[in-house]
Amino acid sequence: EIVMTQSPATLSVSPGERATLSCRASQSVSSTLAWYQQKPGQAPRLLIYGASTRANGIPARFSGSGSGTEFTLTISSLQSEDFAVYYCQQYNNWPPGTFGQGSKVEMK
Amino acid sequence: EVQLLESGGGLVQPGGSLRLSCAASGFTFGGHALSWVRQAPGKGLEWVSAITDSGGGTYYADSVKGRFTISRDNLNTLYLQMNSLRAEDTAVYYCGRDSPVITLWGQGTLVTVSS
Repeated sequence: EIVMTQSPATLSVSPGERATLSCRASQSVSSTLAWYQQKPGQAPRLLIYGASTRANGIPARFSGSGSGTEFTLTISSLQSEDFAVYYCQQYNNWPPGTFGQGSKVEMK
Repeated sequence: EVQLLESGGGLVQPGGSLRLSCAASGFTFGGHALSWVRQAPGKGLEWVSAITDSGGGTYYADSVKGRFTISRDNLNTLYLQMNSLRAEDTAVYYCGRDSPVITLWGQGTLVTVSS
């Protein structure tokens, strides 16, 4: 089973600043990588799939990059509604579609 | 409105059974694979099961294989039959549209396995 490791566990950022989250796979997953956002008490929401394609309705300030084993989610200018937990998920070796443990973006 | 609505969660004793339902609306149900994902209290996401658009293919995480059964009907409803429940199955269970990338999530239903 492919293990997904996210870093950092928590990122403290001020509104308007840039946030960069990392996700590493234990073996290559090509570009089969998705990112989800989860706010407290809410269901997750798909942000990015195919490592870099934004899902419908996702603002352009969210961008994904990477391939193989190293991936990045960047939020170019944090808005108040972006403070949440972010999960990556690989689906190259499916099932199962393993998730990372999550990275929390909190207000500095 | 495009949405998924889970129901059927609750408190069950270890070894017991529960059936979760997920009602879909606002999209062509038969055109999509469907998924179940769970989240233990304070923990991350864990993929549980998926079913193809036709219902002819089903997939399970090792942790639930042989105990859980996923199914779907022609009335826009997805199911998860959970048998031989264990304490470690305690979680919020989310249904999702599509697989393996989940494009739409329900709000979740809480399953608590405890004596």
